[in-house]
Amino acid sequence: QQQVKQSPQSLIVQKGGISIINCAYENTAFDYFPWYQQFPGKGPALLIAIRPDVSEKKEGRFTISFNKSAKQFSLHIMDSQPGDSATYFCAAARISEKLVFGKGTKLTVNP
Amino acid sequence: EAGVAQSPRYKIIEKRQSVAFWCNPISGHATLYWYQQILGQGPKLLIQFQNNGVVDDSQLPKDRFSAERLKGVDSTLKIQPAKLEDSAVYLCASSLPQEPITLNTEAFFGQGTRLTVV
Repeated sequence: QQQVKQSPQSLIVQKGGISIINCAYENTAFDYFPWYQQFPGKGPALLIAIRPDVSEKKEGRFTISFNKSAKQFSLHIMDSQPGDSATYFCAAARISEKLVFGKGTKLTVNP
Repeated sequence: EAGVAQSPRYKIIEKRQSVAFWCNPISGHATLYWYQQILGQGPKLLIQFQNNGVVDDSQLPKDRFSAERLKGVDSTLKIQPAKLEDSAVYLCASSLPQEPITLNTEAFFGQGTRLTVV
């Protein structure tokens, strides 16, 4: 059972554009929703995270939008840069419990 | 601050052989995780330790995989015997226990060990 569904599988954006990655979850007990960024040959690194008591969180060019009723959340990357090219994973968990990851989105930002 | 250290970085073995991976978490992190990341997929938790006790090993194939965390610090993950489908990157991560629970439940990942079973 896939508890976190992520789309699209791959995304190509021009430099300066907006990258949008979507995730949907099934378990209403989840209360922690992080996004991880992974470069080739590296482990995932936490990018930004949100709890369901807020609908949006912004850190620099990265924004999480959260829709609790729809059980969906998304990552927006504003002014996308070639250095943002990486694989992005959404995840969900109950605090202090295991992270359940989506399958990942490979983002390519063309110069 | 040193990150999560893993070794080896790469390993190629034949099926039915055994292999072991080592992880040294960030100093002071009580929680340690082993994840399996198959090419093109997200990481999947194999086992979670809190100090030297197992918290969750529900997705660990116990007939061939084993893990230990002696003294609550370093950990080893072993596969015996290996199968072709075990080819993956094995990621170790660590985090602070959350008391009280906050948003800062960041899990720090190592670079992983890429295992190829031929």
